[in-house]
Amino acid sequence: DAGVIQSPRHEVTEMGQEVTLRCKPISGHNSLFWYRQTMMRGLELLIYFNNNVPIDDSGMPEDRFSAKMPNASFSTLKIQPSEPRDSAVYFCASRGASTDTQYFGPGTRLTVL
Amino acid sequence: SQELEQSPQSLIVQEGKNLTINCTSSKTLYGLYWYKQKYGEGLIFLMMLQKGGEEKSHEKITAKLDEKKQQSSLHITASQPSHAGIYLCGADIGDKIIFGKGTRLHILP
Repeated sequence: DAGVIQSPRHEVTEMGQEVTLRCKPISGHNSLFWYRQTMMRGLELLIYFNNNVPIDDSGMPEDRFSAKMPNASFSTLKIQPSEPRDSAVYFCASRGASTDTQYFGPGTRLTVL
Repeated sequence: SQELEQSPQSLIVQEGKNLTINCTSSKTLYGLYWYKQKYGEGLIFLMMLQKGGEEKSHEKITAKLDEKKQQSSLHITASQPSHAGIYLCGADIGDKIIFGKGTRLHILP
């Protein structure tokens, strides 16, 4: 099993630019989670999907952030326009229906200059 | 999140020594997860506890959930350099998991 796949692994962009982060969950998992990790705030849940449907997006910071899951094998997290305070490591995690355990991807380290 | 506190924030231990990391919730836990994160990498699942008083072990790492299900401890016996990293606890609060800020563990040779 390839595990959760995230791309890109590193992203450096300038303030105001659009950023798109991608995630491929583990095959067969029906829940997908997007997290953001910073030194100050730790690991925060942004949004999660169940069967491709967004269930809880209360953690999404503001309207600049949006997430989609067009099918069971792909999700995107978009930031537009990006700001320096968005710099963080963004993790995607997936979970199967028969388990309570979330499995994390390697993360995308985003730097907004 | 202030609902989930980890202590200590950072820990430096001589190789071979034992250590304990604590995770305390302000609410009853439906489940408690322990993850390890190596610097610059993703989170690796260690173990999950659900029942009050439950204790699980994985190699030299033991975790326990207290009877009231509001606190968990992670204990490492005879620490090794491979144990170095960030340990995060995650609390199942019903419909999602919230995480503590983590404990950074350094092992001195």
